[in-house]
Amino acid sequence: NAGVTQTPKFQVLKTGQSMTLQCAQDMNHEYMSWYRQDPGMGLRLIHYSVGAGITDQGEVPNGYNVSRSTTEDFPLRLLSAAPSQTSVYFCASTQTRVGHTEAFFGQGTRLTVV
Amino acid sequence: GDSVTQMEGPVTLSEEAFLTINCTYTATGYPSLFWYVQYPGEGLQLLLKATKADDKGSNKGFEATYRKETTSFHLEKGSVQVSDSAVYFCAPGGEYGGSQGNLIFGKGTKLSVKP
Repeated sequence: NAGVTQTPKFQVLKTGQSMTLQCAQDMNHEYMSWYRQDPGMGLRLIHYSVGAGITDQGEVPNGYNVSRSTTEDFPLRLLSAAPSQTSVYFCASTQTRVGHTEAFFGQGTRLTVV
Repeated sequence: GDSVTQMEGPVTLSEEAFLTINCTYTATGYPSLFWYVQYPGEGLQLLLKATKADDKGSNKGFEATYRKETTSFHLEKGSVQVSDSAVYFCAPGGEYGGSQGNLIFGKGTKLSVKP
């Protein structure tokens, strides 16, 4: 049972480049989200989705796009990378939208923008 | 707005010491409460949870009690081990928060346990 799979695990980008962070879950969860983790800041919500075809912004959405064409996949796109986007990114999925059940996290993608 | 305040670290303890990590939250409703743990180089995983007032969540020797009157969910362990070294996150969830039940995370408390 794979759970939540994120790729790549590490990435270095140059300023201005674009890329897509992949996230896939095999638990048939409706709810998926992306967080970034920065030192001293905890985890901050970037975007989330309550089901296929539905996405919404979180706390820090600027510079990122998402789409949810299937239940399983929730990619995060960086349109034009900036050094401020250097961070560790986590994808998570939960079974319901009300947060009463466990959230499952991927292993994270460590992104460096130079 | 709604928020969570978690004891800042880092916290360094000797093996077998008692651990408390404080967590308080502000909310208009009655959220479920979670503690997540992040071991070095890994993602977050659920440590324990409580879904209503006075519930006690427990796992791996860790405990936390949902205190509605003080809006707190402090994490405790009677005797820590080196393997408990990790970052711990308090996270209210449920109807709390502005994003349809997204978890709101504390800033995390890094625990280091020395042999």
